[in-house]
Amino acid sequence: EAQVTQNPRYLITVTGKKLTVTCSQNMNHEYMSWYRQDPGLGLRQIYYSMNVEVTDKGDVPEGYKVSRKEKRNFPLILESPSPNQTSLYFCASSLRGGSFRETQYFGPGTRLLVL
Amino acid sequence: GESVGLHLPTLSVQEGDNSIINCAYSNSASDYFIWYKQESGKGPQFIIDIRSNMDKRQGQRVTVLLNKTVKHLSLQIAATQPGDSAVYFCAEKAAGNKLTFGGGTRVLVKP
Repeated sequence: EAQVTQNPRYLITVTGKKLTVTCSQNMNHEYMSWYRQDPGLGLRQIYYSMNVEVTDKGDVPEGYKVSRKEKRNFPLILESPSPNQTSLYFCASSLRGGSFRETQYFGPGTRLLVL
Repeated sequence: GESVGLHLPTLSVQEGDNSIINCAYSNSASDYFIWYKQESGKGPQFIIDIRSNMDKRQGQRVTVLLNKTVKHLSLQIAATQPGDSAVYFCAEKAAGNKLTFGGGTRVLVKP
């Protein structure tokens, strides 16, 4: 089954404790992206990657890191989480990312609480 | 995309009626627009898209209209069904492959 998976689905942590949220897709997609979703603000793009070893900042990259060492995985790293990073996080992928009529597939979401 | 307050705008519609969801976008350089549907506890799902050189595109029970003059996008759902209850987001893509989402509209279908 074609899908985007994220782990963990729920995470409670404390300020300053490094964490990684994994994202994996099995569709051989080149484009992957991370979003955060907050009430009243919709989805905001954190980082995206057009292909292996190619990453770019989205609208809200501060406090986050990503890496794209292999095509299927795009982990989101919070080196020193803060309470304002409490949010619902979505990973997404699509075939190439720049083309018209390209469906972006979203993962199930990771709910993060930083105390 | 537009930003809204803490409470999502809500559209209540009778089952069987048509729904119209509106979105104002911000970037006149955006060349691609997408509508997503997000059901409770799930990630957004693609519904329909439109390129900036078009003003209308139809899918199955859905139609997207684009008015570039006033930077307005709308999604029309024909014969709304209970399964259409969800939050709907518009998104715009400009150069650089960044996707910017609107704040969302909640659609509640009344039986």
